[in-house]
Amino acid sequence: DQQVKQNSPSLSVQEGRISILNCDYTNSMFDYFLWYKKYPAEGPTFLISISSIKDKNEDGRFTVFLNKSAKHLSLHIVPSQPGDSAVYFCAASSMKTSYDKVIFGPGTSLSVIP
Amino acid sequence: NAGVTQTPKFRILKIGQSMTLQCTQDMNHNYMYWYRQDPGMGLKLIYYSVGAGITDKGEVPNGYNVSRSTTEDFPLRLELAAPSQTSVYFCASSYSSRGKRTQYFGPGTRLLVL
Repeated sequence: DQQVKQNSPSLSVQEGRISILNCDYTNSMFDYFLWYKKYPAEGPTFLISISSIKDKNEDGRFTVFLNKSAKHLSLHIVPSQPGDSAVYFCAASSMKTSYDKVIFGPGTSLSVIP
Repeated sequence: NAGVTQTPKFRILKIGQSMTLQCTQDMNHNYMYWYRQDPGMGLKLIYYSVGAGITDKGEVPNGYNVSRSTTEDFPLRLELAAPSQTSVYFCASSYSSRGKRTQYFGPGTRLLVL
């Protein structure tokens, strides 16, 4: 019962082009979404988040889009750089819960080719 | 400010042995978590704590125990190690405020049970 899905295990993109990572969720109670980035042998680090009251959030080269009706979000990286090569986890939570329980997707491994 | 630290980085256990994975954070976060990550899978929550003296089970608690005697420390105990517990374990912490859901992760402990 995967509540957060990332159907592409891997993605390769040329340096300078756009990377689009996709995420789908099934639980309509989720109202806060996060993307984490993970390099090998390190812990995940927070990248960007979005609340369900918004449909877009930007931070530099990173933009997250949320389509609530489709229960879908995507992370856009423009332009992609070799240092962006990492595993990206989509995560979801509910602001209605009294604790910070977050459900993670399985991750997408991004390779940016110089 | 070290953030979240975990020890050891790597450990090999024999079936039936026990060990404690250490986790310490210096950000004065109330919330702390233990996750495991298996290959190709997302992070699965083992246990979490909303403050000193308060712990609760996550998605996959069987075979593990935790305690939270201080704000800073959240050790994870494996009593009878089994091969199914071979995984990478991540400790994380976060603010208690519902508006701040970012979790800060440690570098992980790689555990191999043979």
